[in-house]
Amino acid sequence: NAGVMQNPRHLVRRRGQEARLRCSPMKGHSHVYWYRQLPEEGLKFMVYLQKENIIDESGMPKERFSAEFPKEGPSILRIQQVVRGDSAAYFCASSPDSPQETQYFGPGTRLLVL
Amino acid sequence: DAKTTQPNSMESNEEEPVHLPCNHSTISGTDYIHWYRQLPSQGPEYVIHGLTSNVNNRMASLAIAEDRKSSTLILHRATLRDAAVYYCILRDDYKLSFGAGTTVTVRA
Repeated sequence: NAGVMQNPRHLVRRRGQEARLRCSPMKGHSHVYWYRQLPEEGLKFMVYLQKENIIDESGMPKERFSAEFPKEGPSILRIQQVVRGDSAAYFCASSPDSPQETQYFGPGTRLLVL
Repeated sequence: DAKTTQPNSMESNEEEPVHLPCNHSTISGTDYIHWYRQLPSQGPEYVIHGLTSNVNNRMASLAIAEDRKSSTLILHRATLRDAAVYYCILRDDYKLSFGAGTTVTVRA
């Protein structure tokens, strides 16, 4: 039973480019969460999605960041016009039937903006 | 958000038990106590959680004080693979709030 998968594991972008991070939840999980870990800091909640719906995006920066979880395919976290401050590790987690259940994390995508 | 307080670091010898304390004096009645750990360059890994009673699983045990204002994660026999940052988190909804955690070092 495969765990949460994220790709790419490492991503290098130049300032102004776009970054697309993908997350495939565990089989049977319909709830996805994105977290960001800035250097030397703890993980911070960004957004909670169910299939085709954004439930809570209160932790997302207001500009340049967006997330989706389409009916088919992985969840995508998209960062437009990246800046150096976006350099961080981005983790995706998933849970099965309800947001009260345990969240299982992927290995993360480490984004470096040059 | 309810807050937790953990020591910055702890050291242990291999095959000895490790007791990781967590204080959460402002815990509410609906907060579950969750523990995650994060190995270097990996995502957080779920360890254990509980509400009021002590809990055991294959990874660890969780001892919860009667007043619920503190708890202790117990690793019964530390191995080198247990070296990680351990996070104690109070959770009453889907948002996990990670603090600085406790960095556990295991000596061979």
